[in-house]
Amino acid sequence: DTGVSQDPRHKITKRGQNVTFRCDPISEHNRLYWYRQTLGQGPEFLTYFQNEAQLEKSRLLSDRFSAERPKGSFSTLEIQRTEQGDSAMYLCASSTTEGDEQFFGPGTRLTVL
Amino acid sequence: QKEVEQNSGPLSVPEGAIASLNCTYSDRVSQSFFWYRQYSGKSPELIMSIYSNGDKEDGRFTAQLNKASQYVSLLIRDSQPSDSATYLCAVNAKVTFGTGTKLQVIP
Repeated sequence: DTGVSQDPRHKITKRGQNVTFRCDPISEHNRLYWYRQTLGQGPEFLTYFQNEAQLEKSRLLSDRFSAERPKGSFSTLEIQRTEQGDSAMYLCASSTTEGDEQFFGPGTRLTVL
Repeated sequence: QKEVEQNSGPLSVPEGAIASLNCTYSDRVSQSFFWYRQYSGKSPELIMSIYSNGDKEDGRFTAQLNKASQYVSLLIRDSQPSDSATYLCAVNAKVTFGTGTKLQVIP
């Protein structure tokens, strides 16, 4: 399967713990995006990378969130000191160039107790 | 005003009918537009992209774009129960999404 993959698919954690998610994009895609989606809402943009460079980060994104794409391939999204409001589906997508079609991974569902 | 607006629905259509989904956007300089389908509990799946004014057809799906009026629509012909999902309209490179329209196709 050459689509976007994400790991883990589900994560349950206690408030205050740190969590890290991984995304592996489609191999020839140089752009990688992270989104968050809560029930009844569309995906909300968090940040994106072109190769290893993080080009934009949402103003709404707390300092507790950090993302990396160290070798321009896979990416990680870390949430420190999780809060119940962080419970959501975290989606990763990749594309070839700006404006091009984005393809989503299956998502990581985070539940913060 | 939200950047991308959709009627949340649900939009109910009988099997075999045409479903019409609409979306308006606020950024006049937007260049790229996408329709995604999302089944409950799953991630969005790209079904159509459109960049120029007019219609674009792909199988049972037709996307329509009118930049002057700042709207984009999706028509689904011969609707099937398997089309029942939430349809998300998305605009531009960082893909600003609407909240989605829930479509129910009634057998």
